[in-house]
Amino acid sequence: SQKIEQNSEALNIQEGKTATLTCNYTNYSPAYLQWYRQDPGRGPVFLLLIRENEKEKRKERLKVTFDTTLKQSLFHITASQPADSATYLCALYSGTYKYIFGTGTRLKVLA
Amino acid sequence: GAVVSQHPSWVICKSGTSVKIECRSLDFQATTMFWYRQFPKQSLMLMATSNEGSKATYEQGVEKDKFLINHASLTLSTLTVTSAHPEDSSFYICSAPPAGEGGTQYFGPGTRLLVL
Repeated sequence: SQKIEQNSEALNIQEGKTATLTCNYTNYSPAYLQWYRQDPGRGPVFLLLIRENEKEKRKERLKVTFDTTLKQSLFHITASQPADSATYLCALYSGTYKYIFGTGTRLKVLA
Repeated sequence: GAVVSQHPSWVICKSGTSVKIECRSLDFQATTMFWYRQFPKQSLMLMATSNEGSKATYEQGVEKDKFLINHASLTLSTLTVTSAHPEDSSFYICSAPPAGEGGTQYFGPGTRLLVL
């Protein structure tokens, strides 16, 4: 069965450093992969989408890589700020607009 | 980006009652909307796909008679939790993919349901 894994433990980093979050998947060949931010008690907010033929995508301080051979995506936040503290979800496209979500990684940026 | 709203944002009800949650796309039309539920510290689990003008498609294990979905217009989908029980208490979130945005979907703010 399809499986998506994200670091289940919280990631604590110092302000100004680069945060790197990992999303691994098995039994799957998604055409798209997305990253979302979710704050407590709120719905997810779309951040970035990367296609299977793209190696890297950037948006301001965010960078996503997509390695279809390793079946892995990395999500980077450079120059991290306390306001970046949230749970970050990866989601893989499973067809007909449907996505399968990982459990998310909770990021805490320490001032 | 596109905006999706949900109403109510939270609701407390007695066991056995029914609760309706609305999901609206405010600045775009959505022929398809999705309903998810999320338990604390867990992933979003897709419950069903809401289709404008036709029946909803439910994921395996989701009772269609328990979770009634109506996609009344191109901007509104409703989820009714019928005869709610405490185990239905959860965070319910809808999403909608705007046409032409290549797989992007926008989520509502979620509805917290507590069944006593």
